[in-house]
Amino acid sequence: AQSVTQLDSQVPVFEEAPVELRCNYSSSVSVYLFWYVQYPNQGLQLLLKYLSGSTLVKGINGFEAEFNKSQTSFHLRKPSVHISDTAEYFCAARGNKLVFGAGTILRVKS
Amino acid sequence: KAGVTQTPRYLIKTRGQQVTLSCSPISGHRSVSWYQQTPGQGLQFLFEYFSETQRNKGNFPGRFSGRQFSNSRSEMNVSTLELGDSALYLCASYTDRGPNYGYTFGSGTRLTVV
Repeated sequence: AQSVTQLDSQVPVFEEAPVELRCNYSSSVSVYLFWYVQYPNQGLQLLLKYLSGSTLVKGINGFEAEFNKSQTSFHLRKPSVHISDTAEYFCAARGNKLVFGAGTILRVKS
Repeated sequence: KAGVTQTPRYLIKTRGQQVTLSCSPISGHRSVSWYQQTPGQGLQFLFEYFSETQRNKGNFPGRFSGRQFSNSRSEMNVSTLELGDSALYLCASYTDRGPNYGYTFGSGTRLTVV
């Protein structure tokens, strides 16, 4: 069965520091991978997606992610975070349906 | 291009009642998916519709149902509401065509059952 694991439930980080949010997926078929961000009481906003091609994917707001097929990972990174990046981040994979990880709350401290 | 519109944004219902939520996808998108989001269970897949046909369903009881109309708008219905149905219900509009491949989410409907 298809599943997504986000390895950290919360990640605290100081402003302007780099951050990595980890995601592993499990699937026996090809998957498409996504990262979404959710601000309080809002829907999900797409940050970036991997469909095929280059394994390094760049998204909005300075985020990027690297697809690693051998490690079945799709970690999200940002070289320098801002207070406004404080939100919950979801990794998702689509095989025959879109499946989400449990989410990682990124807390950026000043 | 307009985004995904979910109505209403907020709802308060009493146990035992039923509720209908609406979702209008992005123009031209023929697929709509529904998700339930709760603090304890996270984001759980309810069902997916494509051209008025349900093509995938999650593990929810039969009290949860949905449908899609010919204009691609979708509704989901929950009958005999329980306290545990309190959640944010998210709708996603999906396309598998071109550079916009993927899902676009609405702002959700916050359902509170009292």
